[in-house]
Amino acid sequence: EVQLVESGGGLIQPGGSLRLSCAASGFSFDAYAMHWVRQRPGKGLEWVSGINWSGGATGSADSVKGRFTISRDDAKNSLYLQMNSLRVEDTASYYCAKGIWNGDYVARYFDSWGQGALVTVSS
Amino acid sequence: EIVLTQSPGALSLSPGERVTLSCRASQTISHNYLAWYQHKPGQAPRLLIYNVSNRATGIPDRFSGSGSGTDFTLTISRLGPEDFAVYYCQQYGSSPATFGQGTKVEIK
Repeated sequence: EVQLVESGGGLIQPGGSLRLSCAASGFSFDAYAMHWVRQRPGKGLEWVSGINWSGGATGSADSVKGRFTISRDDAKNSLYLQMNSLRVEDTASYYCAKGIWNGDYVARYFDSWGQGALVTVSS
Repeated sequence: EIVLTQSPGALSLSPGERVTLSCRASQTISHNYLAWYQHKPGQAPRLLIYNVSNRATGIPDRFSGSGSGTDFTLTISRLGPEDFAVYYCQQYGSSPATFGQGTKVEIK
């Protein structure tokens, strides 16, 4: 059974940094593209960032480009999102999502998701 | 980027009823790259349909998807008590992938 478990969320002041982690199990993590998707309070879903199966290519939404960095550690079956220069509008639940086998960083459909990590940016 | 508009925003139905949810795109979605998800509060979103009409693993056949171009539909033939949730469509034919704002299906 595929499991994705996010951690690292919390309350942070504007301008601060936070690192989210996603522990994956139940599938060959190193063969799949992985992504982060967020949901702001009262809003719909928004793709944030993706990384290809090998970790050699990444992409991000314009709203976070230059501030957020996605990475992966296949030895630890883990996905990360380093979030810098956080803004109030980055307040959201952040979901780790499994992409396509042998896929690139461009988002396709997501066949498994974690339960999310809440990030609150407030002074 | 492609904007997806879902309708209605919410609806109240009884178990056993048939429901049809709409997703309209601002531009043609290439390759029929359109998915549907179910999301319940505090839970992980669940993939229902991908590539317009393909059911994901383990999804019961009361869920079906159809459409092409800019107009797409998710149909639940008979609502089960576990089907009350928010449903999102997502296009991945153009980058960045985008989601609709969701349709909430509530118990009447």
